Amino acid sequence: GQNIDQPTEMTATEGAIVQINCTYQTSGFNGLFWYQQHAGEAPTFLSYNVLDGLEEKGRFSSFLSRSKGYSYLLLKELQMKDSASYLCAPSLYNQGGKLIFGQGTELSVKP
Amino acid sequence: SQTIHQWPATLVQPVGSPLSLECTVEGTSNPNLYWYRQAAGRGLQLLFYSVGIGQISSEVPQNLSASRPQDRQFILSSKKLLLSDSGFYLCAWSVIPNQPQHFGDGTRLSIL
Repeated sequence: GQNIDQPTEMTATEGAIVQINCTYQTSGFNGLFWYQQHAGEAPTFLSYNVLDGLEEKGRFSSFLSRSKGYSYLLLKELQMKDSASYLCAPSLYNQGGKLIFGQGTELSVKP
Repeated sequence: SQTIHQWPATLVQPVGSPLSLECTVEGTSNPNLYWYRQAAGRGLQLLFYSVGIGQISSEVPQNLSASRPQDRQFILSSKKLLLSDSGFYLCAWSVIPNQPQHFGDGTRLSIL
């Protein structure tokens, strides 16, 4: 079966750094996506890892270890607008690009 | 650039009524198309995906169906809605499998 595990909630301070962890167990793993979803809105794409290592995009970085079934999303210089749910989503090989979404991590950024 | 349109934004329907939600993509050809549902406080659940016209893969047995009558059009339907069909329905597209999926604004469906 498929299983994704992320913390349900996290709180951090404006200007700080926060790391959101995700562990996964899937069959036919191809890569891992991170999405941001503000309350009441559709998810927006943040980053994608296929190979092991770190991908950096501005204030956001994502890391993948395929052998450990582990990924994290790192958010630097936190801003109030970063308060949102962060969704970890492995993609499956040869299944039309199917994404398996976790429950998401609700991040609250405090002043 | 590519855009995805989904309508309506909100819908209130009685139990037992039919449903038709439409999604169209512009600015690309032969996209992969997806329908997801997000129940209140839950994660996104993939309902259907399509890699081409007339090709539909169903992920979860239910009283919903999907069709792709044209290359960039994806329709979610039901003949008789259940209370459990309430939720936030999202359409998404990608250029090819295993590339980022981009979501429409979603339809918030309430069943009374």
